[in-house]
Amino acid sequence: DSGVTQTPKHLITATGQRVTLRCSPRSGDLSVYWYQQSLDQGLQFLIHYYNGEERAKGNILERFSAQQFPDLHSELNLSSLELGDSALYFCASSVDGGGHYFGPGTRLTVL
Amino acid sequence: QQQVKQSPQSLIVQKGGISIINCAYENTAFDYFPWYQQFPGKGPALLIAIRPDVSEKKEGRFTISFNKSAKQFSLHIMDSQPGDSATYFCAGIIQGAQKLVFGQGTRLTINP
Repeated sequence: DSGVTQTPKHLITATGQRVTLRCSPRSGDLSVYWYQQSLDQGLQFLIHYYNGEERAKGNILERFSAQQFPDLHSELNLSSLELGDSALYFCASSVDGGGHYFGPGTRLTVL
Repeated sequence: QQQVKQSPQSLIVQKGGISIINCAYENTAFDYFPWYQQFPGKGPALLIAIRPDVSEKKEGRFTISFNKSAKQFSLHIMDSQPGDSATYFCAGIIQGAQKLVFGQGTRLTINP
């Protein structure tokens, strides 16, 4: 158990819908990262927040957004969902930007 | 220049053998190289990591060998066990940039 929690574990929704994925980092970690894992793209960095501020963006679509709240939990919002958004979404946290500790992931299925 | 290339894509090793997974990177600004182990349906778990000023790091049966001049590093799993069967990812990170760049992954199967 990494200490990073993610909810929900599974999410099934339809195209065009909006969903919110939630992540709680390990106690004491100020950094939260979001990654997308699909079969054809591997693990792709989406976005990084540090203590409530956005620090880096990767290949994140404009339909996706994230935020980190004062209690350090983070939410990833995915809107206007498409079939191709079906993937595993992982949250990770770290204290010093080195080793990332990953949560169990949210499996998103868009029908 | 951000890529990390990993090989092989899949690997089958007999129980008790040595599993070797190789990675190569292009960006010399990477300053931290972790390896992750992922079981089906689970998140990647940090296994072992190395910084480029060290040529080798060993933790139990897992060893990272690092060749800075060749921009290559590898994971060796000694005395491989069926429980080691998983997908392994190498990665590089520029700590200032704060994001992991992953290799494509290696699916390791240890036959009993």
